[in-house]
Amino acid sequence: KQEVTQIPAALSVPEGENLVLNCSFTDSAIYNLQWFRQDPGKGLTSLLLIQSSQREQTSGRLNASLDKSSGRSTLYIAASQPGDSATYLCAVKEGNNRLAFGKGNQVVVIP
Amino acid sequence: GAGVSQSPSNKVTEKGKDVELRCDPISGHTALYWYRQSLGQGLEFLIYFQGNSAPDKSGLPSDRFSAERTGGSVSTLTIQRTQQEDSAVYLCASSLLVGHISDTQYFGPGTRLTVL
Repeated sequence: KQEVTQIPAALSVPEGENLVLNCSFTDSAIYNLQWFRQDPGKGLTSLLLIQSSQREQTSGRLNASLDKSSGRSTLYIAASQPGDSATYLCAVKEGNNRLAFGKGNQVVVIP
Repeated sequence: GAGVSQSPSNKVTEKGKDVELRCDPISGHTALYWYRQSLGQGLEFLIYFQGNSAPDKSGLPSDRFSAERTGGSVSTLTIQRTQQEDSAVYLCASSLLVGHISDTQYFGPGTRLTVL
């Protein structure tokens, strides 16, 4: 059974610092990996999707890398802002179309 | 519609009652998914629809849980004889490119279920 782990579970950083969020998964047979953002009381917003054949994806201040062989992904958020405060979820898609999620990184950016 | 919608947004019920949760996917999306997010837990897959059929029901936690989808669109998740451990946020998602490596699932805002 696929297990997805996110470290750290929670972190606080001063505004302007770069954020580094880590995700690991146990089974490398994945279709893709997605990073989502979840705000309190809201649904999930997809941030980046990395196909299994890709190494990284970038969108604005966000960059996500994927090392499928070692079962790891990292989400970098440059020059963090208070509006980046949220829970970030990592999910891997397997051949059965379901997503397996980690428990999330809860981020607080301090103004 | 512009996105996935779910209703109700909040539901409080008494133990033993039945509840129905509704999901309206993005128009044209053939795949629909139900997940559950319990306090302190990650999102847990429940069931997946391709059109009106459910190829994968393996995530449903017990036979009290069932789901259907009609017209390749709206889906209803039904929980019978609710228990306190059913309290969670139930999230619905839909996607267009089933099985494709760039397939993205789009999530609704969820229904928060509280069983007293």
